[in-house]
Amino acid sequence: DAKTTQPTSMDCAEGRAANLPCNHSTISGNEYVYWYRQIHSQGPQYIIHGLKNNETNEMASLIITEDRKSSTLILPHATLRDTAVYYCIVSRFTGTASKLTFGTGTRLQVTL
Amino acid sequence: DTGVSQDPRHKITKRGQNVTFRCDPISEHNRLYWYRQTLGQGPEFLTYFQNEAQLEKSRLLSDRFSAERPKGSFSTLEIQRTEQGDSAMYLCASSLDRDYNPNYGYTFGSGTRLTVV
Repeated sequence: DAKTTQPTSMDCAEGRAANLPCNHSTISGNEYVYWYRQIHSQGPQYIIHGLKNNETNEMASLIITEDRKSSTLILPHATLRDTAVYYCIVSRFTGTASKLTFGTGTRLQVTL
Repeated sequence: DTGVSQDPRHKITKRGQNVTFRCDPISEHNRLYWYRQTLGQGPEFLTYFQNEAQLEKSRLLSDRFSAERPKGSFSTLEIQRTEQGDSAMYLCASSLDRDYNPNYGYTFGSGTRLTVV
């Protein structure tokens, strides 16, 4: 699975959009981009995933560049409860081994 | 649907003792995963089951570790002769994988925090 690069930490003011970048320059054509987050003392929580097209759900939006070498997770109106570690994961979904390889993620701190 | 349950939430044990953790996945999920997470790191894959079959094991899973999923429902992870390096959060996740569809994300439990003293 391709490796990802994320900033170690970011700050965001409550109510503003949080834009979390991820580089995955070695991604291959059959690899998906997944985002999970982990709030302190809890298990990771699935946020969103995509292959080529931009995706949006009730939690966030995922913007994938045309060359698929990077992506951005957007939390449109960050709240204090969005303070967490956000993991960008690139994974080939083979059907026989859909395990996820986590990096160290981005620690997002949402402040008043 | 009560999510993925793990028991216990916390376990303190003396070095050399055996410990066993339990995971109850979401009932209709056919895949179950175990991960380990140490402080400041992301979760690391240990092993996964498709129904009752253990299909993959990481090199992190030494011979002191054993996982089972009898009848394809709950799973147990046992660590024998614990060492201080085994101190970590052990996370269980489950997913419903049909027709190799990537649209089914994992659901993680809250984990079992193991401290070996």
